[in-house]
Amino acid sequence: GAGVSQSPSNKVTEKGKDVELRCDPISGHTALYWYRQSLGQGLEFLIYFQGNSAPDKSGLPSDRFSAERTGGSVSTLTIQRTQQEDSAVYLCASSLAGRYEQFFGPGTRLTVL
Amino acid sequence: ELKVEQNPLFLSMQEGKNYTIYCNYSTTSDRLYWYRQDPGKSLESLFVLLSNGAVKQEGRLMASLDTKARLSTLHITAAVHDLSATYFCAAFYSNYQLIWGAGTKLIIKP
Repeated sequence: GAGVSQSPSNKVTEKGKDVELRCDPISGHTALYWYRQSLGQGLEFLIYFQGNSAPDKSGLPSDRFSAERTGGSVSTLTIQRTQQEDSAVYLCASSLAGRYEQFFGPGTRLTVL
Repeated sequence: ELKVEQNPLFLSMQEGKNYTIYCNYSTTSDRLYWYRQDPGKSLESLFVLLSNGAVKQEGRLMASLDTKARLSTLHITAAVHDLSATYFCAAFYSNYQLIWGAGTKLIIKP
């Protein structure tokens, strides 16, 4: 079946602009995660959605970052007033529920000039 | 707070050799994951280890878990070039979070 998809695959933006990154999880997966991976680094947890519960936003690095998940499916990560340090690959993952194996999308490479 | 340490962080080896990547975690966790990431690609799940003494094997890779020692290992047997990648371990924490190691970049030379 279809895996996790993300769009766009690449995004180049100017400092100060807003960007929106999209994630389509695997159908039937109730849990959705956003991570950030800087070049050559590990994964930094950003936010977690589970069904209709309030999301865990504890990993968001600043109030410029926000995310929503509509209808328990598609999620959008928004970064306002982008800074150069926001440049990274943003990965989305989904799973059946919080305790289960996570399946990752291909990522969005964000470059802030 | 759970912390996960992998070592080595970088490993260059010859084809045909055996080697082990170690993943230590600092507090109790009841499941451990191994993922592979090829350059410029996303993460691919390799193994999920659910209990003490669990051992799983896929081709030339074998993963094990010792929950008492808080240690998981990923053993590579008779390495081949196609196994060159970055390998991450992650330990399960709280109700849904994975705490990730920094990754081991593995280069296998022909």
